[in-house]
Amino acid sequence: LAKTTQPISMDSYEGQEVNITCSHNNIATNDYITWYQQFPSQGPRFIIQGYKTKVTNEVASLFIPADRKSSTLSLPRVSLSDTAVYYCLVTGSGQAGTALIFGKGTTLSVSS
Amino acid sequence: DVKVTQSSRYLVKRTGEKVFLECVQDMDHENMFWYRQDPGLGLRLIYFSYDVKMKEKGDIPEGYSVSREKKERFSLILESASTNQTSMYLCASSPRSWAGGDEQFFGPGTRLTVL
Repeated sequence: LAKTTQPISMDSYEGQEVNITCSHNNIATNDYITWYQQFPSQGPRFIIQGYKTKVTNEVASLFIPADRKSSTLSLPRVSLSDTAVYYCLVTGSGQAGTALIFGKGTTLSVSS
Repeated sequence: DVKVTQSSRYLVKRTGEKVFLECVQDMDHENMFWYRQDPGLGLRLIYFSYDVKMKEKGDIPEGYSVSREKKERFSLILESASTNQTSMYLCASSPRSWAGGDEQFFGPGTRLTVL
C-alpha cells in the first residue's frame, strides 16, 4: 500500500513560495499523485495531479523525481486565502478497497 | 460545474438509531465514495462504488453499509449508530471507472453527532 507522509504543519508569510513535500516510498507503477486543498467546513478541492516530472497549472506546480518516492507541491506567492489543509493522495488502479489513501494533511498557515 | 450534494449539513442522532446519509451527484460519474474525517486522522475511506449496485469496502467499513440503486445516488447507512461514529462524513464522485488518477469531487460534508 502506498501510504503517504507529509509534515503536520507549515507557516509562511504572504508573497512567499511554499513547498510541501509528501513521501510515498511504496508507490506502485500505476499510481498517480494528487493534491487536494481543504478549508474549514468544506469538502476537499482538487489542486493538481501528476505521474512523473513536473506539472504546472494556474494554482500550483507539482514536482515528482524520477524514483517517484516523493513529490513536492509548490504554491507560488501565497496569500492569506491559501491558509488551509493540504492533502497528498496516491491513487492506484485495480486494487479494490485499498487504492484511495489520503495522507493526514499539512496545515498551512499564512500570515501577513 | 460538477455538483455533489449531501442531504444534511448537521445531524444529531441517538445511540442505536439507524442513520441514512444521502449523496447525489449530477455529472453522471461512475465512481462514488464515502469518507469520514476525524481530527488528526485525515480522511479515511469507508466504502466506494464503481457502478450501480456495486460496492467495495474501504479502510474502515465496520459498522457501515452502503446502497447504490441509481447511478447518481450513493447512501451510507449506520445500522445502529454508536458514539464512536460521531464524525464528519464526506461524499465524493469521480468520472471514470476505477482508473488511477481521477479527480474526485467532494460534497460539503455532513457533521454527524451520536449521543
